[in-house]
Amino acid sequence: EPEVTQTPSHQVTQMGQEVILRCVPISNHLYFYWYRQILGQKVEFLVSFYNNEISEKSEIFDDQFSVERPDGSNFTLKIRSTKLEDSAMYFCASSREGTAGNTIYFGEGSWLTVV
Amino acid sequence: DAKTTQPPSMDCAEGRAANLPCNHSTISGNEYVYWYRQIHSQGPQYIIHGLKNNETNEMASLIITEDRKSSTLILPHATLRDTAVYYCIVRVGNQFYFGTGTSLTVIP
Repeated sequence: EPEVTQTPSHQVTQMGQEVILRCVPISNHLYFYWYRQILGQKVEFLVSFYNNEISEKSEIFDDQFSVERPDGSNFTLKIRSTKLEDSAMYFCASSREGTAGNTIYFGEGSWLTVV
Repeated sequence: DAKTTQPPSMDCAEGRAANLPCNHSTISGNEYVYWYRQIHSQGPQYIIHGLKNNETNEMASLIITEDRKSSTLILPHATLRDTAVYYCIVRVGNQFYFGTGTSLTVIP
């Protein structure tokens, strides 16, 4: 069964450092997403991406965050200057279409620890 | 914010049906109800979704009331591996608003 894959599974970084989280969405999917979950809290939407552009973003997704699809398979989330409060599990997701009836599939997550 | 309300926790005996309720009284006519589950801190796993009609797949059944203000996810024969947090989500546009879900514990 096709799945969304994410790397790394766990990363520890020092405050102020840049971090790139990588994702390979399901191959025929066109819509890509990042969500995050701070330990013990809800899963929160960050951003959606379609046709090489951000289509929606939340208030969390400020100027220190950026997303990119550098080639035909990868989808990345960059955090420019990490803060302690960026420590969270980051989930990549994808869907074939952007319509409401189209299922979004999540990866297993990248656990980011900022120290 | 999440447009759904779920009980915080439930128990179910192994082998019995687990019935997880969800209220979504403010749902709009074109908004779908999705169910996902999360085991420990793994990625949310898709279970099922529906608009108006009841739905069934290999994992579960989804019963949506006629007025669409509530729904029930049914796991027909719960196993220990079904212990997880179950999220009922009303999809708004291209975003999912996750609530706190129902923590289901399947008891041997």
